[in-house]
Amino acid sequence: KQEVTQIPAALSVPEGENLVLNCSFTDSAIYNLQWFRQDPGKGLTSLLLIQSSQREQTSGRLNASLDKSSGRSTLYIAASQPGDSATYLCAVRHGNKLVFGAGTILRVKS
Amino acid sequence: GAVVSQHPSRVICKSGTSVKIECRSLDFQATTMFWYRQFPKQSLMLMATSNEGSKATYEQGVEKDKFLINHASLTLSTLTVTSAHPEDSSFYICSARPYSGNQFFGPGTRLTVL
Repeated sequence: KQEVTQIPAALSVPEGENLVLNCSFTDSAIYNLQWFRQDPGKGLTSLLLIQSSQREQTSGRLNASLDKSSGRSTLYIAASQPGDSATYLCAVRHGNKLVFGAGTILRVKS
Repeated sequence: GAVVSQHPSRVICKSGTSVKIECRSLDFQATTMFWYRQFPKQSLMLMATSNEGSKATYEQGVEKDKFLINHASLTLSTLTVTSAHPEDSSFYICSARPYSGNQFFGPGTRLTVL
């Protein structure tokens, strides 16, 4: 059974700091890995999607890496801003399903 | 880009009543739709997967007679919570996927059962 773990569960940083969110998964037979952002009481916004054959994807201040063999991914956020405050979810596509981690709650203080 | 809508966004009902939530793919045909449930400060848990015109496949522990899913067309799926109870209060999120592509998520429906 595929399990996805995210560390840390919560993170509070001052504005401007660079930060890394971690995601690990137990079964390396994934189709892709995706990072989402969820604001309180809202749905999911897709941030980055990495195919299983890729090592990383970048979008603006965000960079996601994937090491499929070790079952790990990181989401790097550069120069964090208060607007980045949200819950960040990692999900792997395993078979026909997306399996989600529990998320990291990020708070960026101004 | 691909848009998925849900209706209603928020519903409050009395215990024992049934509630229907609609999920629509607005600009693509969704051969597969997924329904998730999210409890406060927890992640999304897949409830069921449905393919257009077929019966839904439910995850272990999800009662199919309580959570009725209908995927009658390529753009619409409905989730009906039958005889809702307070423990069914949760955030329900649907997701839609075209034949070959990524999943797109709806904005969610907040269900509160009194």
